Amino acid sequence: EAGVTQSPTHLIKTRGQQATLRCSPISGHTSVYWYQQALGLGLQFLLWYDEGEERNRGNFPPRFSGRQFPNYSSELNVNALELEDSALYLCASSPIDRPYEQYFGPGTRLTVT
Amino acid sequence: GENVEQHPSTLSVQEGDSAVIKCTYSDSASNYFPWYKQELGKRPQLIIDIRSNVGEKKDQRIAVTLNKTAKHFSLHITETQPEDSAVYFCAASPTTNNAGNMLTFGGGTRLMVKP
Repeated sequence: EAGVTQSPTHLIKTRGQQATLRCSPISGHTSVYWYQQALGLGLQFLLWYDEGEERNRGNFPPRFSGRQFPNYSSELNVNALELEDSALYLCASSPIDRPYEQYFGPGTRLTVT
Repeated sequence: GENVEQHPSTLSVQEGDSAVIKCTYSDSASNYFPWYKQELGKRPQLIIDIRSNVGEKKDQRIAVTLNKTAKHFSLHITETQPEDSAVYFCAASPTTNNAGNMLTFGGGTRLMVKP
């Protein structure tokens, strides 16, 4: 069974630009979660998508947004990038019968200069 | 909201010794407690989890215990090996869909196993 995949692996942007990160969940998983892992810090919950809808979001500004497509893949968009947005962005997916059991992708390392 | 605290932040043990990592949580609605292992440059990997209807769960050299009354849970690794060296994260979540299933993570424990 293929795991969660994310692209790109690395992304370098300039302050003020927009970044788009992509995630493909494990086949059969319908929920997608996004987390931010800043250097030396733990994982902070960003967004949760299920069945194409945003179900919950963490304590992040509105310039962090995303969507989930009919095939359950997901996209995270970060507008008006700031230096402190530099972090590893992790996507996780969970099966429909155990939505709390989350499996992580390898992450996208976003660097804002 | 939920708050998860994890101790210690770093732990160094000799190969073959046991390692214990402890977490406390604040929200009594949490009833799912997973542990993740993250090796350098790799994804967090789910290594064991426990639901609140059990007090202990074992899987080979790792075990997790839960004290729901005291709101704390622990990870125990016996007979540690160098490949156990990694950052370990505890987390807590409710399991009901309406409340949301996002995980609240502890700050992590860097475990170093010295050969």
